[in-house]
Amino acid sequence: DIVMTQTPLSLSVTPGQPASISCKSSQSLLHSDGKTYLYWYLQKPGQPPQLLISEVSNRFSGVPDRFSGSGSGTDFTLRISRVEAEDVGVYYCMQSILLPLTFGGGTKVEIK
Amino acid sequence: QITLKESGPTLVKPTQTLTLTCTFSGFSLSTSGVGVGWIRQPPGKALEWLALLFWDDDKRYSPSLKSRLTITKDTSKNQVVLTVTNMDPVDTATYYCAHKGYGELFAYWGQGTLVTVSS
Repeated sequence: DIVMTQTPLSLSVTPGQPASISCKSSQSLLHSDGKTYLYWYLQKPGQPPQLLISEVSNRFSGVPDRFSGSGSGTDFTLRISRVEAEDVGVYYCMQSILLPLTFGGGTKVEIK
Repeated sequence: QITLKESGPTLVKPTQTLTLTCTFSGFSLSTSGVGVGWIRQPPGKALEWLALLFWDDDKRYSPSLKSRLTITKDTSKNQVVLTVTNMDPVDTATYYCAHKGYGELFAYWGQGTLVTVSS
């Protein structure tokens, strides 16, 4: 199985400040089709996860442009340019290049 | 508008079989590239993928649970059913179903259903 490792485990951010979450995979997520199968989800308190970013850097419909994803191979980053109160929750990365699909352990983002 | 909703028992006893139904709207499981997956989340813990069923009836399972899982579809009813045999207290979790589209993975989720395993 591909192991997804997220850091940090938690993050406390002042509103308006940037935040960054790292996700490292135990194997490359670059497929022979040229795509990299890394996704980011946000699970707000008491809600199901919501898709933020597909294939490393493609924001899903309706996701604010303060969210951005980058990376390649085995190292990926989710950045929030200016954190807002509504961004609190747990962020998960997930890979789909190989079954079983695997998620990172999550990064909890709180507001200071 | 794509929506999904999970239904099933909230409490099962150890060794029993859990049957969960995902009823969806806004898409067809007959459409190429479409699928429905099941993911669970024990209280306070991370997400765990369980199974994925595709439009062509291809089925994929988590290897760690494969012997206990069965995923099926009823296209006419817009439903996907997950059964989990031999339930154990460690299977206590919120179970989610989610949509897989062409080029998208789990962009739409149900609200989840909490299943507790206890005697």
